[in-house]
Amino acid sequence: RKEVEQDPGPFNVPEGATVAFNCTYSNSASQSFFWYRQDCRKEPKLLMSVYSSGNEDGRFTAQLNRASQYISLLIRDSKLSDSATYLCVVNNFQGGGSYIPTFGRGTSLIVHP
Amino acid sequence: DAGVIQSPRHEVTEMGQEVTLRCKPISGHNSLFWYRQTMMRGLELLIYFNNNVPIDDSGMPEDRFSAKMPNASFSTLKIQPSEPRDSAVYFCASSLVLANYEQYFGPGTRLTVT
Repeated sequence: RKEVEQDPGPFNVPEGATVAFNCTYSNSASQSFFWYRQDCRKEPKLLMSVYSSGNEDGRFTAQLNRASQYISLLIRDSKLSDSATYLCVVNNFQGGGSYIPTFGRGTSLIVHP
Repeated sequence: DAGVIQSPRHEVTEMGQEVTLRCKPISGHNSLFWYRQTMMRGLELLIYFNNNVPIDDSGMPEDRFSAKMPNASFSTLKIQPSEPRDSAVYFCASSLVLANYEQYFGPGTRLTVT
């Protein structure tokens, strides 16, 4: 089993739709989680951290389910500009202040008019 | 802040040649990461440094790859000799450990080995 798994998609949705992605992780000791966005031929950029209690940033909501070992990203009122690949990241701490980040392969989102 | 700076942005080289990729992390960040991204394998962590010290290099594919961080503001990833299967986009990222461990990526170096 891969450490971090995502449905590659693509998720093809109309403008205004609500779409959700999940990301599962295998290490129950994983300690911090993030969602990144990557546009075609660009670098990944931090979208949002994922907190234990769940967090929201405008149209984006991230949640963590430790019992089932997954994180989710919900996008409401999709915009054309939301079209991108969404990568989840799981950090496993190694002690001494260091950690190992593991990226999922990403989920492709296409928002059409 | 200028963000993470990588050079060159594009590199085309012939098999067997040495390739050196460069990275300048965000000033004040104390962790630096080298990644490789391909369609087949996604984003793979090659090596990372904490306070200029290599912490984990288990992702380095083989002895042809080496990385150094001589000071807090500069790192190199070297491939010698290069092979066509090394063709990929190589990203450098940095983070400030105490700031929730968020990473900031450079624009990447697109490497093509013919």
